[in-house]
Amino acid sequence: DAKTTQPPSMDCAEGRAANLPCNHSTISGNEYVYWYRQIHSQGPQYIIHGLKNNETNEMASLIITEDRKSSTLILPHATLRDTAVYYCIVRVGGSARQLTFGSGTQLTVLP
Amino acid sequence: DVKVTQSSRYLVKRTGEKVFLECVQDMDHENMFWYRQDPGLGLRLIYFSYDVKMKEKGDIPEGYSVSREKKERFSLILESASTNQTSMYLCASSLSASGANVLTFGAGSRLTVL
Repeated sequence: DAKTTQPPSMDCAEGRAANLPCNHSTISGNEYVYWYRQIHSQGPQYIIHGLKNNETNEMASLIITEDRKSSTLILPHATLRDTAVYYCIVRVGGSARQLTFGSGTQLTVLP
Repeated sequence: DVKVTQSSRYLVKRTGEKVFLECVQDMDHENMFWYRQDPGLGLRLIYFSYDVKMKEKGDIPEGYSVSREKKERFSLILESASTNQTSMYLCASSLSASGANVLTFGAGSRLTVL
C-alpha cells in the first residue's frame, strides 16, 4: 500500500471550512484513498473514500488531484465535535487485509 | 448503519488471567478484524477473519487467539494476559473483500493488565 504524508496538526475556526491535505505520491492506479477520523478514546469512524473522481457525502468532500498524488478532505462547516485525529489511507480495494493507519492529523476546531 | 458492538469498554485483569473480548456486528459482514492501538504505534492488526471458522494472522498475533463460530461474532482471546497486552482493542468489520472494502469499527475495549 502507498505511503501517505499528513501534517501532524491543524487548527480551524468553528463554522469555517477545514481543509486537510494528504500526499500519496506513490499511489498506483488501483488504490483507493480513504479518510477516517478518531475522536479521543473512540474507534475510528469512516468518512469518505474515492478512486479517481472527487466525492461528496453528508460528512465531507474529497478532492483528488488529477495525477492522484495528493488529496484534500474538506469539512465544509467545522464544529467543535469535528475535533479528532484524521487519517488518510491509501490501499488497494478488493482485499481483506488491514488498512494501515499512520499518525494522522490532529484537527482542533476552535470556538 | 452497520453497528459493531464490543462487549466491554473497560476491563481490568491480572497477569495470567484468561481474557475474552467479544465483538458482534449486525449487518452480515463477511470480514472481521481485531486491532490494538497504542500511543505512537498506530493501529496494528492482530487477527482477521473472512468467513466463519476462518482466521488469518495479522502483524502481531503472538499471545492472542481468535474464534469465529458465527458470522456475526468474532472473539479475541488472551490465553494468559500479560502487562504488555495493556492496550486499546478495536474490532472492525467490512462487507466483503471486493470493491472499496470500507471498515466499520466498534467503540473499543480498553484493557488494563495489572
